[in-house]
Amino acid sequence: DGGITQSPKYLFRKEGQNVTLSCEQNLNHDAMYWYRQDPGQGLRLIYYSQIVNDFQKGDIAEGYSVSREKKESFPLTVTSAQKNPTAFYLCASSIYRTETQYFGPGTRLLVL
Amino acid sequence: KQEVTQIPAALSVPEGENLVLNCSFTDSAIYNLQWFRQDPGKGLTSLLLIQSSQREQTSGRLNASLDKSSGRSTLYIAASQPGDSATYLCAVSHWLNAGGTSYGKLTFGQGTILTVHP
Repeated sequence: DGGITQSPKYLFRKEGQNVTLSCEQNLNHDAMYWYRQDPGQGLRLIYYSQIVNDFQKGDIAEGYSVSREKKESFPLTVTSAQKNPTAFYLCASSIYRTETQYFGPGTRLLVL
Repeated sequence: KQEVTQIPAALSVPEGENLVLNCSFTDSAIYNLQWFRQDPGKGLTSLLLIQSSQREQTSGRLNASLDKSSGRSTLYIAASQPGDSATYLCAVSHWLNAGGTSYGKLTFGQGTILTVHP
């Protein structure tokens, strides 16, 4: 089955800790995206990548980092600099320069 | 800066009712508008995509319209069912140039939480 997978489904972060959220796709899509969703709000773009080894900051990139070493994978690291990390994180992918994005099931990050 | 607003924030209706969800956006320079469905704790599922040159799209009991000049879209759900209960998100797409490349950016509304009770 083709699609986007995110892991883990739930993630707990301790104070001062960096945590990494996984996003993998087997759709052969060039572009990948990370969004953050807070309760009662829409999605906000954190980072995006159009091709391997290239990525750009979105609207709320502070406190986050990404890498794009493989076409299939776009991991997101929530660093200790992100003071309010509790949220639902969604990964998406699309064919380069097309409008339809396909979303993964999401990871909920909670702070201990 | 593009802003997308959805009204109402929440809606509760009895089964069988026809209903309308509203979406407005501030910058009409979009190239499409999408309606998504999100079930609790899940990802997004695309329902309908309307290109900027189109006026409406239909899929089953769903009909979405777009008036780009006035910055408005509506999602019409006919004969609602309890299985339609979910959050409905509207998003507009527009091209942005950043880092020497251009990309299609989605700007989302905050969503309408729909509850259809038996």
